[in-house]
Amino acid sequence: NAGVTQTPKFRVLKTGQSMTLLCAQDMNHEYMYWYRQDPGMGLRLIHYSVGEGTTAKGEVPDGYNVSRLKKQNFLLGLESAAPSQTSVYFCASRQTGTTNYGYTFGSGTRLTVV
Amino acid sequence: AQKVTQAQTEISVVEKEDVTLDCVYETRDTTYYLFWYKQPPSGELVFLIRRNSFDEQNEISGRYSWNFQKSTSSFNFTITASQVVDSAVYFCALRPGNQGGKLIFGQGTELSVKP
Repeated sequence: NAGVTQTPKFRVLKTGQSMTLLCAQDMNHEYMYWYRQDPGMGLRLIHYSVGEGTTAKGEVPDGYNVSRLKKQNFLLGLESAAPSQTSVYFCASRQTGTTNYGYTFGSGTRLTVV
Repeated sequence: AQKVTQAQTEISVVEKEDVTLDCVYETRDTTYYLFWYKQPPSGELVFLIRRNSFDEQNEISGRYSWNFQKSTSSFNFTITASQVVDSAVYFCALRPGNQGGKLIFGQGTELSVKP
């Protein structure tokens, strides 16, 4: 099924460990986004990409890095995880153009940092 | 500044009641888009509606209706004859024009519909 796939769905990390979250989309979308969701704060944009090889900072980029080496993949990295990064992470993608403004969201990754 | 405010953190109603979820936004852009998403207990985000800034026509879809008023910068969502399955967190979001398509979300309103 076409859509956005996030890997892994759940993860527990120890403080200081590193990990990479993978977002893959098979819709040939240009734009991709990483959000984090925390209770009472809605979803906040971490980083985004407007095309292969490009990345930009969002609202809460500190402690995260991203890469978009292939159009279909958008990777979110945590170099040294901290308890404050415990959250649910959502990836989304969107096509450009004047007729389609819809976003496709992944099912989320629940990350706990202990 | 771009901002979305959902002042109602939690709402509890009894089944069959009507309920309105408020959304107030801030933007200086003349072109922008507004969205509503539903997040059921299973956690996924379900798209409900999109509105562009040039279309103030209200919309009705079954038991759902949306009231967009640019004069008050509001985009409110009403559920008529609520059902238990409507229990979820609802997010209002703003997409400013020409900013990479990023969405700015409100804090969300948790709706609980009791039988």
